[in-house]
Amino acid sequence: EPEVTQTPSHQVTQMGQEVILRCVPISNHLYFYWYRQILGQKVEFLVSFYNNEISEKSEIFDDQFSVERPDGSNFTLKIRSTKLEDSAMYFCASTEDSKNIQYFGAGTRLSVL
Amino acid sequence: KNEVEQSPQNLTAQEGEFITINCSYSVGISALHWLQQHPGGGIVSLFMLSSGKKKHGRLIATINIQEKHSSLHITASHPRDSAVYICAVKRGSQGNLIFGKGTKLSVKP
Repeated sequence: EPEVTQTPSHQVTQMGQEVILRCVPISNHLYFYWYRQILGQKVEFLVSFYNNEISEKSEIFDDQFSVERPDGSNFTLKIRSTKLEDSAMYFCASTEDSKNIQYFGAGTRLSVL
Repeated sequence: KNEVEQSPQNLTAQEGEFITINCSYSVGISALHWLQQHPGGGIVSLFMLSSGKKKHGRLIATINIQEKHSSLHITASHPRDSAVYICAVKRGSQGNLIFGKGTKLSVKP
């Protein structure tokens, strides 16, 4: 069964460093999302992406964040200068149609030290 | 105030019991999702519904749009059903979800 793949599964970084979290959505999907979950808290929406551009973003998704679909298969989330409070599990999701269920990757646990 | 409220927060059941998890929301939605988060953190979509009822195996999800309420039922619960069950609502056309805090279910053998 097709699945959303996220790498790495765990990323440890120093505060102030740039990180790139990678996702390979399901191949025929057109809508892509990033969510994050701080330990012990609920999942929060970060950004949605369709037709090679951001379609919606939350207040969390400030200038430190960016997304890209560099090559038609990968979908990346970049955090320019990480802060301690960026430590969280980051989930990528994709769907063929925004009216359908979303398929989630296993997540990348980001630890900022 | 949270836009999506779930109850209970925690639920312990004996194997075989019928389980109900509730979700109330305060905003206009185009659809409601039920998801399962495993102890390792992975998230699986169970249902998406905008009206009525859906059934998949031992899982049943219902929604009442007028009352802004949804329920997830598990019949003949099993220890492997132990997970966090999350209600999330979809607003607008792009599909981004607003999540509840989840209900942690533990089914004892």
